[in-house]
Order: sequence, then structure tokens, then C-alpha cells
Amino acid sequence: ETVMTQSPATLSVSPGERATLSCRASQSVGSTLAWYQHKPGQAPRLLIYYASTRATGIPARFSGSGSGTEFTLTISSLQSEDFAVYYCQQYNNWPLTFGGGTKVEIK
Amino acid sequence: EVQLVESGGGLVRPGGSLRLSCAASGLTFSSYAMNWVRQAPGKGLEWVSSISSGSTTIHYADSVKGRFTISRDNAKNSLYLQINSLRADDTALYYCASDPRLGSEIDHWGRGTLVTVSS
Repeated sequence: ETVMTQSPATLSVSPGERATLSCRASQSVGSTLAWYQHKPGQAPRLLIYYASTRATGIPARFSGSGSGTEFTLTISSLQSEDFAVYYCQQYNNWPLTFGGGTKVEIK
Repeated sequence: EVQLVESGGGLVRPGGSLRLSCAASGLTFSSYAMNWVRQAPGKGLEWVSSISSGSTTIHYADSVKGRFTISRDNAKNSLYLQINSLRADDTALYYCASDPRLGSEIDHWGRGTLVTVSS
């Protein structure tokens, strides 16, 4: 099983600032890595797939990078609607596995 | 607009059973692989099971293998999860989710149905 580890667990950021979230895989997953945004009471939303491709309708302030075992989600200028929990997920092999999440909160 | 609407959750005693359903609209259901993902209270997302568009390939998490059964009815645009021998650690919000190919990124999610296992 590929274990996904996200850091930090919580990130306190002021609106307008940049946020950088990390995700590490226990073994190489190539570029088969997705990022999701999840707000309480809502369905999770796909942000990024294949490590760096933005999903339909996702603003350009969200960007993904990395390959192999190290990945990064960057939110260039946080908006109020961006405060949420973010998960990475690998789909290189079964079982599909998620990271534990990073909560982005208002500083 | 893609909509995935789960139903069938509830309070059940340990050892009991439930059948979850997911009604899909706004997508060509028969072309999509489908998944169940769950979230226990205060915890992160956990993949449960996936089924290919034609039901020919199915995968389960080890934690549910032998107890859960995923199925689909493409004529009814519906996904199901039969959950048996329920345990307290199965308590979670269960999400229905689609992906364009089995084992790819999950592109649409429902809002979930809550399963609570308690005596």
C-alpha cells in the first residue's frame, strides 16, 4: 500500500497570502496524483489531477507540481472561499490512498 | 451539471446490514467508473471500493473485503453498496464518486450518506 503523508496538518494563512501544501508518497506514484478541496457539509471537489493539470473550472491561483514521491499544491493568493481541508490522493496502484489532509485556516 | 445523490444510510446495530444507493444524473453513467469513499467522524477520506463502467472489474479496501459488495445498474444510472457485518469503525459518511476511467482521478462527488453503527 502506498502511504500518503501531508504536511503541515494545519496551515494558518492570511487572505491574499500564498499557501504551500506538501504531499509525500511512500513509493513513487509517477504523476498519478490528485488534489481535492473539501469544505464541511459539501462534496469534495477535484482541483488538480496528473499532479499539475487543473480540473475544469478551477481558478489559476491553484497550481500543482511534483512527480515521483514529492508533490506540492500552491494557492497563490488565498481567497476567503479557499479556507478548507485539502487532500492528496494517489491513483498509481491499488488500493487508492489519500493523505491525511491539510486544513487551511484563517490567520 | 453532474449530480450524485446518496441514500440508504442510518443507524444500525453492530453485525447489521445496510444497502447504500447512489443516483447519478448529468453524466453518461455507463461510461464512468464509480467509487465509494468514506470519512469517519473527525478523520480524513478513505477509499472503500471501485467498480468499472461495465462491472467487469471491482476492487475493495482490505478493511471491507468480504463484508461489502459494490454493484451498479447502468439502466437505472445507479450505484450500490451492500454493507454487511457492520462494525463500529464502519461509522462514517459514505460518498459516491465518479471517475472517467477505473483507477483515475475522482472527478465528481456526492454529499454523502451517514452510516452510524452503534448498539
